[in-house]
Amino acid sequence: GESVGLHLPTLSVQEGDNSIINCAYSNSASDYFIWYKQESGKGPQFIIDIRSNMDKRQGQRVTVLLNKTVKHLSLQIAATQPGDSAVYFCAENTGGFKTIFGAGTRLFVKA
Amino acid sequence: KAGVTQTPRYLIKTRGQQVTLSCSPISGHRSVSWYQQTPGQGLQFLFEYFSETQRNKGNFPGRFSGRQFSNSRSEMNVSTLELGDSALYLCASSLLGEMDSPLHFGNGTRLTVT
Repeated sequence: GESVGLHLPTLSVQEGDNSIINCAYSNSASDYFIWYKQESGKGPQFIIDIRSNMDKRQGQRVTVLLNKTVKHLSLQIAATQPGDSAVYFCAENTGGFKTIFGAGTRLFVKA
Repeated sequence: KAGVTQTPRYLIKTRGQQVTLSCSPISGHRSVSWYQQTPGQGLQFLFEYFSETQRNKGNFPGRFSGRQFSNSRSEMNVSTLELGDSALYLCASSLLGEMDSPLHFGNGTRLTVT
């Protein structure tokens, strides 16, 4: 399949610290990138997006960085809170009315 | 504005049976996508519909099908169920399904095949 997730990477951070979640995307032609957060028992929830003509975009406590040269995307969460504990997915839209998701990273926030 | 609604929330079926899942998109959203989520394969794209037309389809067997109605509501059907079809099926809507439009997901239908 296009989204492989045999072993979910895990990131554990202390409450109040900053979190950085990384993602390598697959298609150099992708023009639109999105981060989603999925909590237990719920569907993925949109966090922030970025277009390929940008390299950085900031939201409330979140920043997305895009490095097209190495096809790398990162999500930075400032002052991580227990409510940030979830699985985070990066996604790319390759056109053709399809969004492809990465494997996901599980974030644990220690109080 | 109400979010994406998926019914039923849970479903238990036996091998060989068929199942129909329903999705109501956010009001005004015309694009509906379906995904299968499993621990081993993550989120896999099934298909996308816009104005009752399937615009893209993922790498799933023909047992998986879908449709969209004139009010943008969508259904997906899985026939001749197999144990491996056990998964969380997620529906997502977006305004036009264009490249720079994020998906809005429902909470999914958990299908268990025994």
